[in-house]
Amino acid sequence: SYELTQPPSVSVSPGQTARITCSGDALPKKYAYWYQQKSGQAPVLVIYEDSKRPSGIPERFSGSSSGTMATLTISGAQVEDEADYYCYSTDSSGRVFGGGTKLTVL
Amino acid sequence: QLQLQESGPGLVKPSETLSLTCTVSGGSISSSSYYWGWIRQPPGKGLEWIGSIYYSGSTYYNPSLKSRVTISVDTSKNQFSLKLSSVTAADTAVYYCAREGIAVAGNNWFDPWGQGTLVTVSS
Repeated sequence: SYELTQPPSVSVSPGQTARITCSGDALPKKYAYWYQQKSGQAPVLVIYEDSKRPSGIPERFSGSSSGTMATLTISGAQVEDEADYYCYSTDSSGRVFGGGTKLTVL
Repeated sequence: QLQLQESGPGLVKPSETLSLTCTVSGGSISSSSYYWGWIRQPPGKGLEWIGSIYYSGSTYYNPSLKSRVTISVDTSKNQFSLKLSSVTAADTAVYYCAREGIAVAGNNWFDPWGQGTLVTVSS
């Protein structure tokens, strides 16, 4: 079955740039999406179609994709950005989420 | 603003069938631009797509759950439902419903999501 691989954790200090990666064999042909999930809350879409930002999402969130890897970048991470982040994509068998990355900002 | 709300029993016995309903407000479930999906998250773990349905009744299921899952839609009530049979403790999770946007080349995505409902499988 198709898998998306993320690092389990990333840690940065406030104001630094956080980068979270997601690798998957189908990413050269499929878009990557990114969700933010704060503790006890439902996931929220922060990046769609590799690099587009939904309305209401701060400009410090950006996305890129090259080959089999997609990257979520948070430029100048804030304490309120501490959350779990999930990449998501599709393949012929369905919809797939990455395992999630816990971002710590302290 | 579109909102989704899950409802159903919070406790299900092993071997029984889990049943949940998602009520959509602020928009029509009969829109041709969207699927409607179910996703779950076991406590402390990641997200798992369960399946999705179109307003016409067409369904797509996660191959790993397909034998136990049925998703249906009731356009008159603006609701869609999930049934998961023969549950075990491994099915204990927060269950979310979400709108699934249809994009070119199958690049669908989920947004927005309901708040989620915890279903515990225990005797």
